[in-house]
Amino acid sequence: GAGVSQSPRYKVAKRGQDVALRCDPISGHVSLFWYQQALGQGPEFLTYFQNEAQLDKSGLPSDRFFAERPEGSVSTLKIQRTQQEDSAVYLCASSLAGDREVAYEQYFGPGTRLTVT
Amino acid sequence: QKEVEQNSGPLSVPEGAIASLNCTYSDRGSQSFFWYRQYSGKSPELIMFIYSNGDKEDGRFTAQLNKASQYVSLLIRDSQPSDSATYLCAPSSGYSTLTFGKGTMLLVSP
Repeated sequence: GAGVSQSPRYKVAKRGQDVALRCDPISGHVSLFWYQQALGQGPEFLTYFQNEAQLDKSGLPSDRFFAERPEGSVSTLKIQRTQQEDSAVYLCASSLAGDREVAYEQYFGPGTRLTVT
Repeated sequence: QKEVEQNSGPLSVPEGAIASLNCTYSDRGSQSFFWYRQYSGKSPELIMFIYSNGDKEDGRFTAQLNKASQYVSLLIRDSQPSDSATYLCAPSSGYSTLTFGKGTMLLVSP
């Protein structure tokens, strides 16, 4: 079956522009995660949805970052007034379920490489 | 602050050897542990996960977990050049959120 898809794959934005990154999870997956990966680093957690509910947004670096998943499937990560430090790969992952005690396997999309000039 | 420590490498092993990748974590509440492989320019790919203390084997891969020592490792037997990648350790605690280490780069030479 289809995996996690993300678009666009590459985005160049001028400093101060707004960008929107899209994630289409694996069909039927309840949980959706956004991560930010800087060059040479591991992915860092941004936010987590269970269906349409955003259960954790503790990793969002500033109030310029906003994520939504209004119908519990496709999600959009929006970055307002982009800054150079926002340049990174933004990864989306989905998993079949979510549980407070037990983690389920997360499957990653190809990522969106954002470059802010 | 949850911390995950991995030796950044590169870890160089000859083809056919055993590669041993190590990871320590600070959050004693971690319940699940995942190993991902990431090729350069690609997204992380799940290799294995382990929940219980001890060993878990899957083909050429063995994950080892010691919660008392807050230590998890990944052994790759009969290493192949195609195993050359960065290996990411990711403990999880609470709502499946993963905390990733920086990863260990593995280089397998023919």
